[in-house]
This record gives sequence, C-alpha cells and structure tokens, in this order.
Amino acid sequence: EVQLVESGGALVQPGGSLRLSCVASGFSFETYWMSWVRQAPGKGLECVATMSSYGNQKFYVDSVKGRFTISRDNSQNSLYLQMDSLRAEDTAVYYCARPGSLWSFDFWGQGAQVTVSS
Amino acid sequence: DIVMTQTPLSSPVTLGQPASISCRSSESLVHSDGNIYLSWLHQRPGQPPRLLINKISNRLSGVPDRFSGSGAGTDFTLRISRVTADDVGVYYCMVSTQSTWTFGQGTKVEIK
Repeated sequence: EVQLVESGGALVQPGGSLRLSCVASGFSFETYWMSWVRQAPGKGLECVATMSSYGNQKFYVDSVKGRFTISRDNSQNSLYLQMDSLRAEDTAVYYCARPGSLWSFDFWGQGAQVTVSS
Repeated sequence: DIVMTQTPLSSPVTLGQPASISCRSSESLVHSDGNIYLSWLHQRPGQPPRLLINKISNRLSGVPDRFSGSGAGTDFTLRISRVTADDVGVYYCMVSTQSTWTFGQGTKVEIK
C-alpha cells in the first residue's frame, strides 16, 4: 500500500523558517518524481515545488522561488521542503504528492499545517 | 502561464440527477511527448484530494463508472451520470505540461 506521511508543520513567525518532511512507503520511491502541493484556507490547490526522481531537475512556482528548496533522500525514501523567509500568504496545508506514470497526482499524504503569523 | 477555468464554481444537484463540470484552458495542453495529461480530482472537506480520472478519460481503479471524462484541445468535461451523497465536495481539473502542474479553481458539488 502506498503511503505518504508528512511532518514538520508548525506555527512560525513571518520571516522564519520551517522544514517539512515526507516519508514514502509502498512503492519504489527512487523511480518517481515527487511534489509539494499546498492549499491555503478555503482556497484551491497549488503545486509549489517538484523534483525529478534523481534530483537533477527542480521546479518551483514563481511565488516561492528563492525562498523554498525541495530536496530528497532516496536512501531514506524521504522528500523535504525547506521554507525560508516565510510570509503570511504561505499559510496553508502542505501535501506531499506523487505524480504518477500519467503525470497526475495519484497519491497524496494527509497534509501538514503551516501557519505563518506573529 | 496556463490558466485553467472551471465552470460552474458551484453546482447544486438533486440526488440521482446528472452533473457536469467544464474545464477550459487558456492555451494548448499538449505535453512535450505529444499527449494531453488532463486529470480530475475530488476533495471532501478535511481530506486530501483523490485522483478520479487521468489523461482526459482514463478512470482509475475503484472509481465508479458514473464518472466519465471527455474533451480535446482546450475544452474538457467531467460528468457524473447520477449524483450520490458520496459525490459531494470540490472537483478540480489539473494539467501537467513540461514539468508544471496547474489546477483549476475548483467546483463545489452539493446536494439540493
């Protein structure tokens, strides 16, 4: 059974930093691209960062470029999102998601709540 | 950047009646490999989204056959043939092109 489990969500002050983690199981993690998708309160979905299977390609939405860094450790079946210079508008549930063989997000974690507030 | 526009944004439906959601893109959705990777997802309150359909019309295992996807070019549609109480929630279209993933704004389906 495929499972994605996020951790690291918290309340953080504006300008602060946070690192999210996602541990994967039930599939060959090293062969899949992985993404972070966020959902602000009462809003829709936004893919903020994606990383290729071996980490040589990374893609970010414009609003987080230069502030967020996606990374992975295939030996630990883990995906990470380092978030720096956090802003109030980064407040959201952050989901770890797997783009499957037809480039659709076929598996999702339960999400990690990130709240940026003073 | 591609913009995906869904209509309607809200759809009150009578149980047992059909529902239809449209998703229109601002430009061609053809991926670099020549395919169109248009998907539909369903999200219930407090839950992560669940993938229903990918590559325009491919229904995933376990998804009831009352759900169907269609379309071409820049216009795509999700149809529910007979809405049940389990179908309430928000539906999103999503497209992947050249390593970017773009979602529609979502359509809320509720029972009248």
